[in-house]
Amino acid sequence: AQSVAQPEDQVNVAEGNPLTVKCTYSVSGNPYLFWYVQYPNRGLQFLLKYITGDNLVKGSYGFEAEFNKSQTSFHLKKPSALVSDSALYFCAVRDPFSGYSTLTFGKGTMLLVSP
Amino acid sequence: EAGVVQSPRYKIIEKKQPVAFWCNPISGHNTLYWYRQNLGQGPELLIRYENEEAVDDSQLPKDRFSAERLKGVDSTLKIQPAELGDSAVYLCASSERDIQFFGPGTRLTVL
Repeated sequence: AQSVAQPEDQVNVAEGNPLTVKCTYSVSGNPYLFWYVQYPNRGLQFLLKYITGDNLVKGSYGFEAEFNKSQTSFHLKKPSALVSDSALYFCAVRDPFSGYSTLTFGKGTMLLVSP
Repeated sequence: EAGVVQSPRYKIIEKKQPVAFWCNPISGHNTLYWYRQNLGQGPELLIRYENEEAVDDSQLPKDRFSAERLKGVDSTLKIQPAELGDSAVYLCASSERDIQFFGPGTRLTVL
């Protein structure tokens, strides 16, 4: 079985400061990992993914994530937060070796960036 | 390019009534998903289609939920009869390779 944990319900950060949204995962093989963002009354939008290769993945809107196999983590980061980054962020995992399985999402982390 | 289209955006019904949601995926995307998102939770898969074939419906409550994707393009998800616990946002997504693109969802309220 595959699972994702987002240990923080909410992350608060001041505009201009760096931000980190945490994610840990559990799969039986090598994972495919994703981050999505959800703005109010809208569907999820893809931010970035890790499939293989460089552990630091760059995505949309200046976000990046670091894959750490030993810690089974895939934390989302941004060097300088914007108020407009305030949204709900979801980490998701897929285990490609269990067949063409689907994504399992975490419960989400609300990011609030204050002016 | 148009994104995933869903309708209606909001639906309020009384329990035991039927309800249907419609989804039109991004043109050319063969894989279509229906998810349910409860308040404060991440999306949970209900059913996945490859073209017109339902290849993963293990999480679909088949006693009251049904879905179809005729001609392998748009899709309909139905609940009959609805229960109070069905109140949630129903999301449709389509995918290209490993990236899923989501529609805005239908917020269902069952009274």
